[in-house]
Amino acid sequence: DVQLQESGPGLVKPSQSLSLTCSVTGYSITSGYYWNWIRQFPGNKLEWMGYISYDGSNNYNPSLKNRISITRDTSKNQFFLKLNSVTTEDTATYYCARDPDGYYFDYWGQGTTLTVSS
Amino acid sequence: DIQMTQSPASLSASVGETVTITCRASENIYSYLAWYQQKQGKSPQLLVYNAKTLAEGVPSRFSGSGSGTQFSLKINSLQPEDFGSYYCQHHYGTPYTFGGGTKLEIK
Repeated sequence: DVQLQESGPGLVKPSQSLSLTCSVTGYSITSGYYWNWIRQFPGNKLEWMGYISYDGSNNYNPSLKNRISITRDTSKNQFFLKLNSVTTEDTATYYCARDPDGYYFDYWGQGTTLTVSS
Repeated sequence: DIQMTQSPASLSASVGETVTITCRASENIYSYLAWYQQKQGKSPQLLVYNAKTLAEGVPSRFSGSGSGTQFSLKINSLQPEDFGSYYCQHHYGTPYTFGGGTKLEIK
C-alpha cells in the first residue's frame, strides 16, 4: 500500500528557511503521478503549495512567489519542500500528498507541525 | 484564483439523519470538484472526485452532485464515524483551492 510520511524540524526562526521531507513507500515517485505539499493553518484553512511530478517538473502556487522549491531524491524515494524567508504566518501543519491525475489527492501523510517563532 | 465557499460552516445532526453540505465556486469549474473528510488530528481523506465519483472504499451513503459553480455532498443515514470536518477542493487547474470547511457534529 502507498504510504507517505513527513518529517521536519518542528520549530524554525523567522527569516530562516524551512525544509521538510516526504518519504514515500509502496510506489516509486518516478513511476507516475504528482507529489504535492499542502498545508493547513491554525483555524483549519487548507492551502495547496505545489508539486513535483514523476518526470521532475514543478508547479507552484503563485502566492508563494519565489520562496518555494520542491525537489526530490529518487534514490531514496523522497521529495522535499524548502520555503525561504519564513514568517509566523507560515506556522501550519504540512502534509505531503499524492495526486494520481493532476487533480486531487488520494494519499496523504499524517502531517508534520511546523511553528515559526523566535 | 478560484474561490470556494462552503456552507454551512458547522452542522449538528443525529445518527441516522441525512445531511447535505454545499460548495460554491467563484467561476465555472465544470465537474472538477473533490470532497474530503478530516477527523480531528488526522489528515484529510478523499471521498469524492470529479464531483460525483466515489473514491475507493467510500461507503455508498456518501454522494456528490453538481456542476458548474454549485456542488453538494450528501450523507444518508449518518453513522458515528461520519462526524468530523468536510472540505471541497476544485481541481480545474492550478492553483487548487479548498473551501473553508464544514464541521459536522453530533447532536
